[in-house]
Amino acid sequence: DQQVKQNSPSLSVQEGRISILNCDYTNSMFDYFLWYKKYPAEGPTFLISISSIKDKNEDGRFTVFLNKSAKHLSLHIVPSQPGDSAVYFCAASARSNTGKLIFGQGTTLQVKP
Amino acid sequence: DVKVTQSSRYLVKRTGEKVFLECVQDMDHENMFWYRQDPGLGLRLIYFSYDVKMKEKGDIPEGYSVSREKKERFSLILESASTNQTSMYLCASRSLGKETQYFGPGTRLLVL
Repeated sequence: DQQVKQNSPSLSVQEGRISILNCDYTNSMFDYFLWYKKYPAEGPTFLISISSIKDKNEDGRFTVFLNKSAKHLSLHIVPSQPGDSAVYFCAASARSNTGKLIFGQGTTLQVKP
Repeated sequence: DVKVTQSSRYLVKRTGEKVFLECVQDMDHENMFWYRQDPGLGLRLIYFSYDVKMKEKGDIPEGYSVSREKKERFSLILESASTNQTSMYLCASRSLGKETQYFGPGTRLLVL
């Protein structure tokens, strides 16, 4: 049972345009969400997070939106740069339940120059 | 900066061998985790540890064991390696009460 789903395995955008990566979850107990970025042969690095008490969090070019009623979150990257090309994982946790992170399958983003 | 290191970047082992993967973090984090990453499956939790000598099974513990004798070190053991354990193994650590986990560079294991 996949509790966190990233339904798009890949996404290709032009440099300078917006990248939108999507993530859906099924467990209503999740109350904290994170995005990680992973380059090949490296470990994931933390990008941005959001608590369920918010619906938006922004950090530079990265913004995460949370729609609790739809159990959906998205990561917006504006403007996209070639260095953003990587695999992006969303993750969710229920802090009342040990705080374990449940990861999605990942979306490979390619930003073309 | 949090630093999580893993003992090997690449390993090649034979079926049936006992394999040790070591992870060390330098930020005095209480919690440590072992994941494996496979294409199309994301990161799946194998085992985690809340503190020294404490361990909990994750979602896919079969065929693995762990050891945490010191706070900074968390070892993953493959008792008898099998070809279906060929994967990228990722270690992470986290401070108690915080949600963000910090990852090591990963160990790519090939079992022949």
